[in-house]
Amino acid sequence: EDQVTQSPEALRLQEGESSSLNCSYTVSGLRGLFWYRQDPGKGPEFLFTLYSAGEEKEKERLKATLTKKESFLHITAPKPEDSATYLCAVQMNNNAGNMLTFGGGTRLMVKP
Amino acid sequence: GAGVSQSPSNKVTEKGKDVELRCDPISGHTALYWYRQSLGQGLEFLIYFQGNSAPDKSGLPSDRFSAERTGGSVSTLTIQRTQQEDSAVYLCASSPQVGLEAFFGQGTRLTVV
Repeated sequence: EDQVTQSPEALRLQEGESSSLNCSYTVSGLRGLFWYRQDPGKGPEFLFTLYSAGEEKEKERLKATLTKKESFLHITAPKPEDSATYLCAVQMNNNAGNMLTFGGGTRLMVKP
Repeated sequence: GAGVSQSPSNKVTEKGKDVELRCDPISGHTALYWYRQSLGQGLEFLIYFQGNSAPDKSGLPSDRFSAERTGGSVSTLTIQRTQQEDSAVYLCASSPQVGLEAFFGQGTRLTVV
């Protein structure tokens, strides 16, 4: 069964303390891996798409990387406004359908 | 340009009533998804539309749930005879095509009392 697992479930950082969030997946045939940010009471906001192992994408303090088994979202020198839940999702390249399968998310709290 | 729009933003209904949730996708997007997010939980896939193809209904939890997409644009998710366990945030997303990023609306918070 295709699985997407995110760790840790929750992460507390001090402002400026860099860290990484993990998204591991066991899918047969990855079409794409997507990172989203979700603030309380809002819909997920798209951040990055990664398609192949070795690919990297950057946006401000965030950098997403991809291997054949997992993706990392690196947060450099985070600020309190980076506090949110970060979700990853995968889309498979097979006959199982075209839905996005989401992980459980990592709830990030950045303290000033 | 406008993003994905969902209405209503909040809906309170009595157990046993039917509800309709609406999604206006981004213009030109051929793919449309419905997801459900219960309090503190992850996103649960419900249904997927792609162009004129038959929808993927594999995530619908029971036959009380149905959805349609008219003219390849607006979609309506209908829940019949609502139950308390149906209480959740219902999220809609659209994508230009399969394999590209999906953009989400703000969701409809459904409360069944």
